[in-house]
Amino acid sequence: GQQLNQSPQSMFIQEGEDVSMNCTSSSIFNTWLWYKQDPGEGPVLLIALYKAGELTSNGRLTAQFGITRKDSFLNISASIPSDVGIYFCAGQRGGATNKLIFGTGTLLAVQP
Amino acid sequence: DAMVIQNPRYQVTQFGKPVTLSCSQTLNHNVMYWYQQKSSQAPKLLFHYYDKDFNNEADTPDNFQSRRPNTSFCFLDIRSPGLGDAAMYLCATSNPIAAPSTDTQYFGPGTRLTVL
Repeated sequence: GQQLNQSPQSMFIQEGEDVSMNCTSSSIFNTWLWYKQDPGEGPVLLIALYKAGELTSNGRLTAQFGITRKDSFLNISASIPSDVGIYFCAGQRGGATNKLIFGTGTLLAVQP
Repeated sequence: DAMVIQNPRYQVTQFGKPVTLSCSQTLNHNVMYWYQQKSSQAPKLLFHYYDKDFNNEADTPDNFQSRRPNTSFCFLDIRSPGLGDAAMYLCATSNPIAAPSTDTQYFGPGTRLTVL
């Protein structure tokens, strides 16, 4: 199935550093979502973006819906050890079932 | 709290022995999804129910079946598990009727299936 291009694949940073990751697609989406998945758990929704150009924050997290509707980025400021996990972007095109098209994931490791 | 619940969290079965995973939701969402996720990969959609309507993905093996007896519950049946079916199985729900322009999927904690 289709997957979105997500980068970087992994990041190893020091506590307190800022982090940025992004997703790109060759086609447009109506919705961009960012999920975080801890080991052995299901993905947890972090931020949902519904309009092109939209910039939304959730605590230390900020995400933007690209103006072309083909990309999105997620920033994490002042990282802490509990930010460790896999971050997935996902796009939706709408319609009755509104399937998620996932990115390939970014593994984030934070050194205390 | 309203949520998506999956039981059991860990399931061990034998090669070829049928197994059923369950999902329940208190969100009253009309769509329920089943995903398979293997290590270091994104979740892969197996099928979903829009109310009582079953929608299978084209590449989902016949070995995987699903039942949704009511709005709250959905089951994943693996008729003859193979070693390659060992994975995390995730249930998700969404409610496009209530919020068609802001519909979002919410995931359960998953069931880790081991096949011996």
